[in-house]
Amino acid sequence: QLQLQESGPGLVKPSETLSLTCTVSGGSISSSSYYWGWIRQPPGKGLEWIGSIYYSGSTYYNPSLKSRVTISVDTSKNQFSLKLSSVTAADTAVYYCARHTTRVVDYWGQGTLVTVSS
Amino acid sequence: NFMLTQPHSVSESPGKTVTISCTGSSGSIASNYVQWYQQRPGSAPTTVIYEDNQRPSGVPDRFSGSIDSSSNSASLTISGLKTEDEADYYCQSYDSSVWVFGGGTKLTVL
Repeated sequence: QLQLQESGPGLVKPSETLSLTCTVSGGSISSSSYYWGWIRQPPGKGLEWIGSIYYSGSTYYNPSLKSRVTISVDTSKNQFSLKLSSVTAADTAVYYCARHTTRVVDYWGQGTLVTVSS
Repeated sequence: NFMLTQPHSVSESPGKTVTISCTGSSGSIASNYVQWYQQRPGSAPTTVIYEDNQRPSGVPDRFSGSIDSSSNSASLTISGLKTEDEADYYCQSYDSSVWVFGGGTKLTVL
């Protein structure tokens, strides 16, 4: 059974860079035909796709966040990562990592709350 | 920018049928598949419908999805409502490799 687990600081200061890692177990991150993505959910609000990386390394980002987002993959560790720069309070959210096809998420991480505050 | 609009909330009684709509802002919603996710409080979402009307294994056939091109909308229908169906539901689609979620609909079963 594939499992995804987010990790990283739960508190980030305004203007700094948010960094999260998703560790994949029970399967290979190099599996063909899958994307590895990040989705966030501000408290009490809806889901927002941040971006994804294809197993080949191609990246796709939400246009509204593209200038601040970098997603990368480390196949040796079976991990992929999110970096979101110049954060503000509006970036406070539960961040989920997920595996998906072109159409649908089939595995989600449990989510991790990141609060942006001084 | 492509957007998906859902009603903020719906409510219905146990045993009844409810339909949640998801309207596309531009283009044809039928051009790309629509998915539906269920999210209970404090939990990650789970898929209840994919590719417009397909149910993952383990999802009861009380859940169904459809597309109405005339209204540019997708719909999630839940029949024989149970109290355990009370949750937030999100539609999702994509356009040119950009994923979009609807704003979510809170379903209350009372």
